[in-house]
Amino acid sequence: GAVVSQHPSWVICKSGTSVKIECRSLDFQATTMFWYRQFPKQSLMLMATSNEGSKATYEQGVEKDKFLINHASLTLSTLTVTSAHPEDSSFYICSAKGARDTEAFFGQGTRLTVV
Amino acid sequence: GQNIDQPTEMTATEGAIVQINCTYQTSGFNGLFWYQQHAGEAPTFLSYNVLDGLEEKGRFSSFLSRSKGYSYLLLKELQMKDSASYLCAPMDSNYQLIWGAGTKLIIKP
Repeated sequence: GAVVSQHPSWVICKSGTSVKIECRSLDFQATTMFWYRQFPKQSLMLMATSNEGSKATYEQGVEKDKFLINHASLTLSTLTVTSAHPEDSSFYICSAKGARDTEAFFGQGTRLTVV
Repeated sequence: GQNIDQPTEMTATEGAIVQINCTYQTSGFNGLFWYQQHAGEAPTFLSYNVLDGLEEKGRFSSFLSRSKGYSYLLLKELQMKDSASYLCAPMDSNYQLIWGAGTKLIIKP
C-alpha cells in the first residue's frame, strides 16, 4: 500500500509557542490530505481537508487562524498549531489520497503535549 | 444527521471468533471502511465494502448490507495482538469518512 510519513511522532512544547507537523506522501501524489485530531478514548475528528494548491476547508468549530494548513505540493502538507495551549494537547493524524484513490492512507500520527 | 453505532467494548478469548456490528446513517453512501487502531497509533486499513455481501481477507471478513445500513467485521482465530479498537467508517456522498468512537476489543488468553 501507499506510504504516508508524518513527522514528528511526538512533540512537547511550551504554551504560547507554535508547532509544525509535516505529512508526506512518499510514493504517490496526494491530491487531497485530511487532518484529524483525536482525544483519548474518542473518535477521530476531522479538522480540515486540503487539496493541493488551494486553501484548506475547515470543519465547523475549527479555528483556521489557529490551525494553519498548507498543501503547497502533491507530496507535502503541513499543520501548524499556533499559540498552542494545554487544551491543544492531542493526537494529530493526517491521511492522504490520490486523485483516483478511494482509500486514504494514514500517517503515523503526532502526539502533541503542550505544557 | 450522520450517525455511527458500534458497541463500545467487546471481550473475546484467544482462538475464538468475534463479530463487531456497525449500523450507520449517512447522507449518501460511497462505501464503508473498517480500520484497526492500536492505542496511541494511527488507524490501519482492514477492509472496504461498497457492494452488498461478504469480503474475506485472511482471518478478517467484512459484510455489508446497504439497504439495512449495516456492516459487521468478523475476526477469526483471535490472537492477542488483535486487541485494539475497530473503527467502522462509512463514506458519505462527499466522499468524506464518517467516524464513530469505535469498538474496543479485549482479547483474553
